[in-house]
Order: sequence, then C-alpha cells, then structure tokens
Amino acid sequence: ETGVTQSPTHLIKTRGQQVTLRCSSQSGHNTVSWYQQALGQGPQFIFQYYREEENGRGNFPPRFSGLQFPNYSSELNVNALELDDSALYLCASTVAGRTNEKLFFGSGTQLSVL
Amino acid sequence: AQSVTQPDIHITVSEGASLELRCNYSYGATPYLFWYVQSPGQGLQLLLKYFSGDTLVQGIKGFEAEFKRSQSSFNLRKPSVHWSDAAEYFCAVGLNDMRFGAGTRLTVKP
Repeated sequence: ETGVTQSPTHLIKTRGQQVTLRCSSQSGHNTVSWYQQALGQGPQFIFQYYREEENGRGNFPPRFSGLQFPNYSSELNVNALELDDSALYLCASTVAGRTNEKLFFGSGTQLSVL
Repeated sequence: AQSVTQPDIHITVSEGASLELRCNYSYGATPYLFWYVQSPGQGLQLLLKYFSGDTLVQGIKGFEAEFKRSQSSFNLRKPSVHWSDAAEYFCAVGLNDMRFGAGTRLTVKP
C-alpha cells in the first residue's frame, strides 16, 4: 500500500475527446509526477508539479496539462485524444528536497482511446 | 541528458537459479538509481535505490544491486529466483523526473 490512489482504474474514450485522470497523494507529499506507460514500454515522464506549479516537463505536447491542489490531490488532463494516447497513466508523489524519500506510485489508470 | 538502457528485453531462468538483470545509465553527476518491479496491471514497487555510499545495495525480496561508476552500470541480482519473481523489472535514474529503461521481462521456469 503506497498511499497513492488513482481514479478511475480504467477508462475508454474516443479520438478527439478530452479526459481527466485523478490522483490522491499522501498527506505532506508536495510533489507529484505523472508518467505515461505505453504497452510493453517503460514509464515516460510527462511532468511534475511542486506546490501547485509545474516544475519540469518531459517531451509531451501542451494538450497534456495538469493541476495540483492544496489537499494533495492532482489531475492530468489530456485534450484532443489521439489513438497513441492509449496507455497506463501513473502518478507518483514524494516530498521534494528529501533525497532519501522514495517515490510512491499509484496503480495507474488504463486509458484506451478508440 | 539522463537516460537508462536495459539491454535484455526478456530473460528466462529456472526456479532456484541465480539472476542478473543489466542496467546502464547516462547521467551528468552522481546518479540517483533505482530498480522497480511491476506485476501485470499493477503500479511500480520499489526494490532498492542507490543515492550514495556503499555501492552494494540491499533491497526487498532478497534482491541486491551494485553501482559501478566506471562501467555506468547498476545491475540487479538475486542468488535464487522464486516463481513469484516473474514480472517486469525497470531500472530508473533521476529523482522526481525519473527516467526509466524499457524494462526486462522475467520468466521463471518450474
């Protein structure tokens, strides 16, 4: 049990739609990162939020956006869905600056785009 | 830029045999290195991590890894594999903006 909860667990959307994925972190975890894991691949870093501001971004287009809230929850929003967006989306949280703190991963949301 | 290479896509070992999974990294400074395990449909579970200090790191489930700066490697080992170890294993470098390798799928033969 990591203390990181993601919802929903599975989601089916059609191309062109918009989707919001949610993550609830442990209390005190002021940093949340989102990853995309395509089938058969390792997770790819999308972006990180620290104290409600974006604090680093991987090679993903602007239609991938996020929000982080004061209650340690966060969202990943994807606009204009494409077939290649089908993947497992993982969020992970930690306390920034504590180098001995490990990253806590949720179980992910499986997104299918048809 | 930091990156990780896992040269072996799929490894099969017999139960009770020893295991070594390879990981090579590229990083500008002293790396933060991790090994994670993922069972089908699940998130990632941390096996072990290296930040500094002793280059031989002990983890959960009997796993260990050795950091070798001269070889830019962080290979994962286990002396005797159990059937329950069958899973996907990921090496990663970095901290909050972690970069993962493509993974090595471990199959355990009875």
